[in-house]
Amino acid sequence: TQLLEQSPQFLSIQEGENLTVYCNSSSVFSSLQWYRQEPGEGPVLLVTVVTGGEVKKLKRLTFQFGDARKDSSLHITAAQPGDTGLYLCAGAQMFGKRQLTFGSGTQLTVLP
Amino acid sequence: DSGVTQTPKHLITATGQRVTLRCSPRSGDLSVYWYQQSLDQGLQFLIQYYNGEERAKGNILERFSAQQFPDLHSELNLSSLELGDSALYFCASSTNMVGTQYFGPGTRLTVL
Repeated sequence: TQLLEQSPQFLSIQEGENLTVYCNSSSVFSSLQWYRQEPGEGPVLLVTVVTGGEVKKLKRLTFQFGDARKDSSLHITAAQPGDTGLYLCAGAQMFGKRQLTFGSGTQLTVLP
Repeated sequence: DSGVTQTPKHLITATGQRVTLRCSPRSGDLSVYWYQQSLDQGLQFLIQYYNGEERAKGNILERFSAQQFPDLHSELNLSSLELGDSALYFCASSTNMVGTQYFGPGTRLTVL
């Protein structure tokens, strides 16, 4: 079974601060996705990273895929209250049916 | 709005009962996925259907079953319900077998 560990599990910060969320595994993934989920809603895809070492930017969010494709990070610059939510990473299997394995999530709260 | 619809939004039932959750995928999507999200287990993949056929199975209990109909909507049947089955159940859809998954708003199941 492929496991994805996310850290930290909970994060509460003030508006304007920077933060990094980590997603780690001992398994190699063909791609890794980051989702954000708000209460009462389903996860919404933020980004997919495919190539080892790849860095993608989405406004104030920067996503990095590890060189070995086993880990990823999400960095948010100058966090805003609207960034509050549950951030989930999900890795796609290298072979076979490419099922997604989700991390346990990081609950981010940005205080005004 | 992801374009994936799920009904009902909330469901309260008793132990031992059987319920059916329904999902309509985005227009044109052939794959439907079912996930269970609980506080202690996170988001767990249950099963995937592609164009009416079961394609992949995850951690789905024998008491649970699913199907995808010719019009591509899907139903997840949960029987002999236990307290531990209380969770959010999400449906996701994708264009093909391994494409980006778009999640519905979920059904919150409470078993009393």
